[in-house]
Amino acid sequence: DQQVKQNSPSLSVQEGRISILNCDYTNSMFDYFLWYKKYPAEGPTFLISISSIKDKNEDGRFTVFLNKSAKHLSLHIVPSQPGDSAVYFCAAKGLSGGYQKVTFGTGTKLQVIP
Amino acid sequence: KAGVTQTPRYLIKTRGQQVTLSCSPISGHRSVSWYQQTPGQGLQFLFEYFSETQRNKGNFPGRFSGRQFSNSRSEMNVSTLELGDSALYLCASSLGGTEDSPLHFGNGTRLTVT
Repeated sequence: DQQVKQNSPSLSVQEGRISILNCDYTNSMFDYFLWYKKYPAEGPTFLISISSIKDKNEDGRFTVFLNKSAKHLSLHIVPSQPGDSAVYFCAAKGLSGGYQKVTFGTGTKLQVIP
Repeated sequence: KAGVTQTPRYLIKTRGQQVTLSCSPISGHRSVSWYQQTPGQGLQFLFEYFSETQRNKGNFPGRFSGRQFSNSRSEMNVSTLELGDSALYLCASSLGGTEDSPLHFGNGTRLTVT
C-alpha cells in the first residue's frame, strides 16, 4: 500500500520557468511533510519541509504548498535552473506503532533544459 | 559538523553470502534509519534504531537485521543474499525525539548480488 504517491515519474522544464512537482498521500495521520533532492550516486538531500498546521512554506526559490483536505502537496521551484535537475522525493512523517515514521514517494525526475 | 558516513560505498557479493553495512550518524543524532532504494520503488523503509533499540520496522524478511551501538553508530546485516537484494542502501540520522526534524542521509552503499 503506497501511502505517499508521486504520479509523475518525470518532468521537463525550460530554464527560468516554474517547476511544479506533485505528491499525494492517503494517511491522515501524517503531520509533517518533506521534500528531498537526489543526485545520482549521492544520498537524498533535505530541501524544505512543512508542518500540517501550515499551508505554505517558502525558502528562496523553493515553496511547498499543503492542501490537507485534498491530501496533496506540491513543490514549486522558481526560477528553475539546470542544477535543479535531479530526482525529487516527497516524504511524510506520522505516527506508526507509537513513533514517528517517515514514508517516501517513488520520486519524480526533473530535467531543466538550458 | 561531519555528515552521515556509510561504509563501504560499493559491495559485490554472491547469492547465499551475508553482508554487513555500517553507518555513522551526525554527532548528537540518536536515531538511525535504514532504507532500500531500487529503481521504480522509491525508498523503502527497513528499520529505525533509537538509543540502541529498534523502535520501528518495515515489511522486510527476517534476513534483514540491524543494531545500534552506544555511540549511535549502526550496522545492518543481510543474510543469505538473493539477487533481488541488489540495491542502494541508505542510512539516515535524526535527533529522534518528538520534534519535527528532517532525516539526514549518507551517500549509501551500493550492493550488487551476483
